[in-house]
Amino acid sequence: DARVTQTPRHKVTEMGQEVTMRCQPILGHNTVFWYRQTMMQGLELLAYFRNRAPLDDSGMPKDRFSAEMPDATLATLKIQPSEPRDSAVYFCASGTQTPTDTQYFGPGTRLTVL
Amino acid sequence: LAKTTQPISMDSYEGQEVNITCSHNNIATNDYITWYQQFPSQGPRFIIQGYKTKVTNEVASLFIPADRKSSTLSLPRVSLSDTAVYYCLEGLRGNTGKLIFGQGTTLQVKP
Repeated sequence: DARVTQTPRHKVTEMGQEVTMRCQPILGHNTVFWYRQTMMQGLELLAYFRNRAPLDDSGMPKDRFSAEMPDATLATLKIQPSEPRDSAVYFCASGTQTPTDTQYFGPGTRLTVL
Repeated sequence: LAKTTQPISMDSYEGQEVNITCSHNNIATNDYITWYQQFPSQGPRFIIQGYKTKVTNEVASLFIPADRKSSTLSLPRVSLSDTAVYYCLEGLRGNTGKLIFGQGTTLQVKP
């Protein structure tokens, strides 16, 4: 049963620290998405990649957030420096250009910035 | 901004059929309608997708009228484990890309 994995599952850090979240998409999926979920804003798309190339990162604060795919099995989302308003659950999802375009979500990383 | 509108919350009882309706008045010709389910502390999960008329799978049915300006997700005989948030989305099929999630409908199933 193939799944998207994310690490860490929980992260507590202090304001100003760097945070790196990792995602391993399902093998064979060529599209990777990063979402952020908060009670106030709901699920927001931050960025997505296809075949490791960034297609859209318009939802991401450019000054502190960066997303990369060093290889097909790893996607990273980095926040530097982190701020309390970044506290949220960050989801990674992967998919392919199949007829249903289903996005498969990982379990999320719950980030708390103190 | 989300392009769909759905009720914020719904209550039901175990064993009942639940219908959640979504409005997508400005849906484009090439857009499909997709529903996702999210349990607490988990990521969203694909439930069903359709373009028009009716689609049924092992989890739910999706009804889409001819004008495609709305869709109804039907969950037969819900159980407590169906308590979740249900999102209706519209997007292009065959072009895996942006899916804009709205606030979703929080379904509370009671014993």
